[in-house]
Amino acid sequence: DGGITQSPKYLFRKEGQNVTLSCEQNLNHDAMYWYRQDPGQGLRLIYYSQIVNDFQKGDIAEGYSVSREKKESFPLTVTSAQKNPTAFYLCASSVYRGYNNEQFFGPGTRLTVL
Amino acid sequence: EDKVVQSPLSLVVHEGDTVTLNCSYEVTNFRSLLWYKQEKKAPTFLFMLTSSGIEKKSGRLSSILDKKELFSILNITATQTGDSAVYLCAVGVSTSGTYKYIFGTGTRLKVLA
Repeated sequence: DGGITQSPKYLFRKEGQNVTLSCEQNLNHDAMYWYRQDPGQGLRLIYYSQIVNDFQKGDIAEGYSVSREKKESFPLTVTSAQKNPTAFYLCASSVYRGYNNEQFFGPGTRLTVL
Repeated sequence: EDKVVQSPLSLVVHEGDTVTLNCSYEVTNFRSLLWYKQEKKAPTFLFMLTSSGIEKKSGRLSSILDKKELFSILNITATQTGDSAVYLCAVGVSTSGTYKYIFGTGTRLKVLA
């Protein structure tokens, strides 16, 4: 089955700790994206990557970091510098070439800071 | 600054009603406009629009784009309780050789039996 997987589904973290959210896709997509969604709000772009070993900051990158060492994987680290990390995090991917392509989403990770 | 605005923010209707959801945008280097349905977790894709005036249709859902007036609408006819969800509009833009999507805040639709 082709798709995007995210783990864990739920994550609890103490203040001051870094945590890493996993995102893997087997769709052979070039582009991958991380979004944050807060209650009653739309998706805000954290980081995105069009190709391996390259990524760009989105609108709310402060307090987050990413890596793209493999085409299939785009992990997101929520650092202690992120002041309000409790949120629902969604990973997505799309075919890059040709631009006009839909995004496919993973099931999401709900992060709660205690 | 690129912006995508959806209206209304929320809507409550009865089964059988027809609803129209709006999405307006102000972006640089527009490439596409996408509609998603989000029920509990991951958004699911509904439509992608790139050309003005061409309606896309899937069952009771349809959507159209107006690139001159910079908006799109999503229509749902004969609504059912299963249509209750948040509907997200996203605009694809290209910038400096990269491509990203800008999302609106969504419209929360509740359909009552």
